[in-house]
Amino acid sequence: SAVISQKPSRDICQRGTSLTIQCQVDSQVTMMFWYRQQPGQSLTLIATANQGSEATYESGFVIDKFPISRPNLTFSTLTVSNMSPEDSSIYLCSVATSLEQYFGPGTRLTVT
Amino acid sequence: GQQLNQSPQSMFIQEGEDVSMNCTSSSIFNTWLWYKQDPGEGPVLLIALYKAGELTSNGRLTAQFGITRKDSFLNISASIPSDVGIYFCAGQNLGGAAGNKLTFGGGTRVLVKP
Repeated sequence: SAVISQKPSRDICQRGTSLTIQCQVDSQVTMMFWYRQQPGQSLTLIATANQGSEATYESGFVIDKFPISRPNLTFSTLTVSNMSPEDSSIYLCSVATSLEQYFGPGTRLTVT
Repeated sequence: GQQLNQSPQSMFIQEGEDVSMNCTSSSIFNTWLWYKQDPGEGPVLLIALYKAGELTSNGRLTAQFGITRKDSFLNISASIPSDVGIYFCAGQNLGGAAGNKLTFGGGTRVLVKP
């Protein structure tokens, strides 16, 4: 398994601003992902963070709104841009080994 | 996008009871994963299943990968208060076009019977 940390753990932001969430893994991993979990809901994949190239976004998510960086095999960032109250969610990064996938503790974002 | 049908949506447990939840899909997966999420935490992997028909245990937890590859169930035996939380199933097709992408069920919220 992998130990995954995220910063910040939670934040309260004003609409129209942006927040960058960091994800750090304790070992090199090939595959990293970002998920969103809206209040009381299940997890939805936002994008696959590709090292050295642009992220691959799922339907309904775009780079302008959720820019992602992956500068190396242990670190990634997700930015939530031009936030609105609808962006209030838990944002989770995950990493995949060859067979399994592990999640970070999440970043709880509230937009006012 | 595709989602797995997970049931029940919620359940109440009394200490010592056995509980069961399941997931069904309209399409097949070659891997099923079960996670538990506690409040304020990320999901924690409980059990991973890789083969149709496979039955795997992890302590008081037992999960099975359905023969059709379209379903899975999770049993918790002799439940204890710390079993409270939200349980998610997730399907994955390793080696396929979707790679390691997970498709999640809606979750089963396990609560303590008052």
